[in-house]
Amino acid sequence: AQSVSQHNHHVILSEAASLELGCNYSYGGTVNLFWYVQYPGQHLQLLLKYFSGDPLVKGIKGFEAEFIKSKFSFNLRKPSVQWSDTAEYFCAAFLSLNYGGSQGNLIFGKGTKLSVKP
Amino acid sequence: KAGVTQTPRYLIKTRGQQVTLSCSPISGHRSVSWYQQTPGQGLQFLFEYFSETQRNKGNFPGRFSGRQFSNSRSEMNVSTLELGDSALYLCASSLVGIVGQPTEAFFGQGTRLTVV
Repeated sequence: AQSVSQHNHHVILSEAASLELGCNYSYGGTVNLFWYVQYPGQHLQLLLKYFSGDPLVKGIKGFEAEFIKSKFSFNLRKPSVQWSDTAEYFCAAFLSLNYGGSQGNLIFGKGTKLSVKP
Repeated sequence: KAGVTQTPRYLIKTRGQQVTLSCSPISGHRSVSWYQQTPGQGLQFLFEYFSETQRNKGNFPGRFSGRQFSNSRSEMNVSTLELGDSALYLCASSLVGIVGQPTEAFFGQGTRLTVV
């Protein structure tokens, strides 16, 4: 079955530390990948997305992710985290039911809680 | 531009009751999906509606159902509530355009359902 795995359940960092959150997916076909963030008490917001093209994707708030097809990975990175980055981060894969089209659903990883100490 | 609106934000129900949750998508978005979020299972897909038709369904029992209206607003119904149905229910809307063009989902703040 298709799945998305996030390696870390909870990551604790100090401000200015670098961040890398792991994400692997298991699906052999065309896959569209996303990172969402959920700040405390807020709705899920899109950080960045990969559909095709340049495997290094830049998102909002200084986040970026790299799609490595051979490793089935889509890791999220940020060079220097801030206290305001404290949130839960979800990796998701959109599995298309109609040959790369828009019909399908998102499969989410279990999420990684990031705590940034000021 | 208004975001995805879910009502109510919080609900407390008793086992055996039924509940209806509502979702108003972003204007122009015709695809609405529902997800259940729990601490143990994370986010799990319930179903997706497009143009009033259920196009895709996750692995949930028949007690979970939904519908979509002609204005793209969607409702989700859970009958015979169980304690395990306590969760945050999220609605997401997408702009579905040309076939072959994947889209991103925009999420509402969710409805927190507590079953006692």
